[in-house]
Amino acid sequence: GENVEQHPSTLSVQEGDSAVIKCTYSDSASNYFPWYKQELGKRPQLIIDIRSNVGEKKDQRIAVTLNKTAKHFSLHITETQPEDSAVYFCAASYRTGANNLFFGTGTRLTVIP
Amino acid sequence: NAGVTQTPKFRILKIGQSMTLQCAQDMNHNYMYWYRQDPGMGLKLIYYSVGAGITDKGEVPNGYNVSRSTTEDFPLRLELAAPSQTSVYFCASASGTSVTGELFFGEGSRLTVL
Repeated sequence: GENVEQHPSTLSVQEGDSAVIKCTYSDSASNYFPWYKQELGKRPQLIIDIRSNVGEKKDQRIAVTLNKTAKHFSLHITETQPEDSAVYFCAASYRTGANNLFFGTGTRLTVIP
Repeated sequence: NAGVTQTPKFRILKIGQSMTLQCAQDMNHNYMYWYRQDPGMGLKLIYYSVGAGITDKGEVPNGYNVSRSTTEDFPLRLELAAPSQTSVYFCASASGTSVTGELFFGEGSRLTVL
């Protein structure tokens, strides 16, 4: 099956700085790459996703980039705020029905006020 | 707007006991999933279902069973609980037809096996 690696496992940034989280995947057939945010004690929630026919997608302060050749994708958060503090999970799937969604191990982001 | 509802939220089991984690969704989603989340290990798929009467194994199915008799409910059964099953369990659903493929998660069930 797919193997998704995520780095770093922890990340601390000053409020207002940018944060970047990187993931690599192993299965070249994967074509759907979502990012989930999990606040402490809460359920994971989708924040952004990208498909393999797109190289970059933006939504306000967050963006995701995808390099299919290198099989890696990244989450970029600009102008970080304390409420961005959470665990972020990347995932990869080769079917949008998500019955084979493989998650990375998560990145704990701390934004220091 | 209930979404995905899981019960119980917390449970302590003794080794060898059995229990069922309940999951219900009110979004008429075809796809439902059970994940477990261990510290530093991300989310691992236990079982999934693409519709009533259809279930299949995920990455880590050993020690668990599921059933899907209705679109709404997808219970997870733990037989002969072991300490290795101490984890946080998340149920999730997806429409299967949405462009985004978004998973909607329940609030989680924290299980401790002693």
